[in-house]
Amino acid sequence: AQSVSQHNHHVILSEAASLELGCNYSYGGTVNLFWYVQYPGQHLQLLLKYFSGDPLVKGIKGFEAEFIKSKFSFNLRKPSVQWSDTAEYFCAVKNSNSGYALNFGKGTSLLVTP
Amino acid sequence: DSGVTQTPKHLITATGQRVTLRCSPRSGDLSVYWYQQSLDQGLQFLIQYYNGEERAKGNILERFSAQQFPDLHSELNLSSLELGDSALYFCASSETSRTGELFFGEGSRLTVL
Repeated sequence: AQSVSQHNHHVILSEAASLELGCNYSYGGTVNLFWYVQYPGQHLQLLLKYFSGDPLVKGIKGFEAEFIKSKFSFNLRKPSVQWSDTAEYFCAVKNSNSGYALNFGKGTSLLVTP
Repeated sequence: DSGVTQTPKHLITATGQRVTLRCSPRSGDLSVYWYQQSLDQGLQFLIQYYNGEERAKGNILERFSAQQFPDLHSELNLSSLELGDSALYFCASSETSRTGELFFGEGSRLTVL
C-alpha cells in the first residue's frame, strides 16, 4: 500500500544539538516531497519542498532535506536546533497515484529543551 | 497568515447531530482540500475539489460530504456525528490541482459529546 512513514514519533533534544528526522515513502513514479511544521496551536506551514533538480533542498529557518531516490527517503535535517523549533513535523508526498492529494506521515513531535 | 480562512474555529455538538464547516481558499487558488487530524490517525486526507468539481477522494466516511461553490469557497458537512468524529478539521488550498504546495487554514476543532 502507498504510505508515508516517519520513523520517530517523539524526539527530545537539547538546544544546539543536531536534528535528523526520517521519512520514507512507498509511492512509485514521480513524486513531489514536502516537510511541514505545526507549531503549538497553529496551522501547518511549509518548511521546504522538492519537485526536481538538486536533491539537497534548503528551506526556512535553517532546515534542509535530502531526497534519495534509491532509498525512497526524504530526511529532514538541521545542524543546530533552537527552543523555538519545538513543534510537530510532518513529511508529505504528492503524486499522480494519490490523485495529487498530499499524503502525510503521522508526524514527529520534537521537544527542544533549553 | 496563510490566506486560508476557516470557520468556525471551535464547535461543540452532540452525537447524532450535523455540522457544516466552511473554508475560503487563498485568493486565486482553485483547489481545496479537506483533512482530518486526530491523535491516533494523524492527518488524514478526506477530499479534494478543483474549480467546483470533486478531484480526489481519501478516507472520507459516507456520513461526510463536501462541495465547492462557484465563488470557490468550500463546505464540509458532517452528519450523524459520533464521538470518534471529534478532531481538528483542516482546509487547505493550492493554485492548481497537480503541483504546488498546499496552504493550510487554522482548522476547525470539532468536539462531539
